[in-house]
Amino acid sequence: GENVEQHPSTLSVQEGDSAVIKCTYSDSASNYFPWYKQELGKGPQLIIDIRSNVGEKKDQRIAVTLNKTAKHFSLHITETQPEDSAVYFCAASTGYGGSQGNLIFGKGTKLSVKP
Amino acid sequence: DGGITQSPKYLFRKEGQNVTLSCEQNLNHDAMYWYRQDPGQGLRLIYYSQIVNDFQKGDIAEGYSVSREKKESFPLTVTSAQKNPTAFYLCASSPGQGYGYTFGSGTRLTVV
Repeated sequence: GENVEQHPSTLSVQEGDSAVIKCTYSDSASNYFPWYKQELGKGPQLIIDIRSNVGEKKDQRIAVTLNKTAKHFSLHITETQPEDSAVYFCAASTGYGGSQGNLIFGKGTKLSVKP
Repeated sequence: DGGITQSPKYLFRKEGQNVTLSCEQNLNHDAMYWYRQDPGQGLRLIYYSQIVNDFQKGDIAEGYSVSREKKESFPLTVTSAQKNPTAFYLCASSPGQGYGYTFGSGTRLTVV
């Protein structure tokens, strides 16, 4: 089945710097890649997603890139702010029926943005 | 506003008791999921349901049970057979396979 690995597990940046979180996946059939942000004590929230027919997607300060050949995708946050501090999860899905279509999550990256 | 509601926010359980966590969604989503999250850990799938009256075990189903009698509702029962139930429980819903999940705000369960 699908396996998603996420790096780094912790990331500390200075306010205003950029942050990059990387994920690799194992199933070449995966075609949907969302990113979630989880603030302390809350449920994860979808912040951006990308499908396999697109190489890059941007939404203001965040962007996601996808390299299907290498089977990896990355989250880029520019001009980081203290409110970006949270745990970020990547995920992948094939979209097939049954358990294969479930999102498979990475183990998360704790991002700390220092003022 | 459409969303997914988990209740209660905090729950305390005595040893040997069963407790039920509520999850309700008004997004008209077909699929619903339960995850367990331990401190500093990722998301582990307990059960999922892709359609009413059907559900499947996830990676850590032992000691848990669910039902899906209505499209809107997917309650999770933590039974006395779950030896280490203290955790943060998250419910999610999705329109179907290949779509993102909408998560609830979670229930923190503590054994006392």
